[in-house]
Amino acid sequence: EAEVAQSPRYKITEKSQAVAFWCDPISGHATLYWYRQILGQGPELLVQFQDESVVDDSQLPKDRFSAERLKGVDSTLKIQPAELGDSAMYLCASSLANPKMSGYTFGSGTRLTVV
Amino acid sequence: AQSVTQLDSHVSVSEGTPVLLRCNYSSSYSPSLFWYVQHPNKGLQLLLKYTSAATLVKGINGFEAEFKKSETSFHLTKPSAHMSDAAEYFCVVSDLGYQKVTFGIGTKLQVIP
Repeated sequence: EAEVAQSPRYKITEKSQAVAFWCDPISGHATLYWYRQILGQGPELLVQFQDESVVDDSQLPKDRFSAERLKGVDSTLKIQPAELGDSAMYLCASSLANPKMSGYTFGSGTRLTVV
Repeated sequence: AQSVTQLDSHVSVSEGTPVLLRCNYSSSYSPSLFWYVQHPNKGLQLLLKYTSAATLVKGINGFEAEFKKSETSFHLTKPSAHMSDAAEYFCVVSDLGYQKVTFGIGTKLQVIP
């Protein structure tokens, strides 16, 4: 079964350092999402791509977070500088342009700990 | 605007007894609704989805959910809980007009032997 690949699985970084996460969606999925899930809470959408274009980044803290999907395939989410409050699970998901057909498929996530 | 309310943050059942996880939604458009399960330190796995076809939706691992428009509910049920069902469950609504996806806060299911 096709999967959404994410790396790394775990990341520990010191505050004020830069950190980056990578996501490779299911082949053919035009829509890609980055979510942040703080321990004990539901996932919160950070950014949504349709192909290479950002369609929603209203919840992305743009002073320190950036995301790109240059060729409309894989994507990178960057935090610079990291803060203690950024410790969370970062989940990537993808879907067909019409999610009715595929639902949303999630990767296993990257667990970030900022120390 | 759309929202999802999961009515219980924690549910505890005995193994072999029925499971009921409650979810209410609001949406300006005809919604699609999903239930996802998350085991500790894992990503989210799709259990089932409602996309305006049959109102009773069957999913994986014996779970099912019924879409009730009059009650704006999409409760998740299973006739008999198994130890492996212990996890966190998220109800999700998608406003497909704009592809907005909103998660509930999650319900932690504990299964007691």
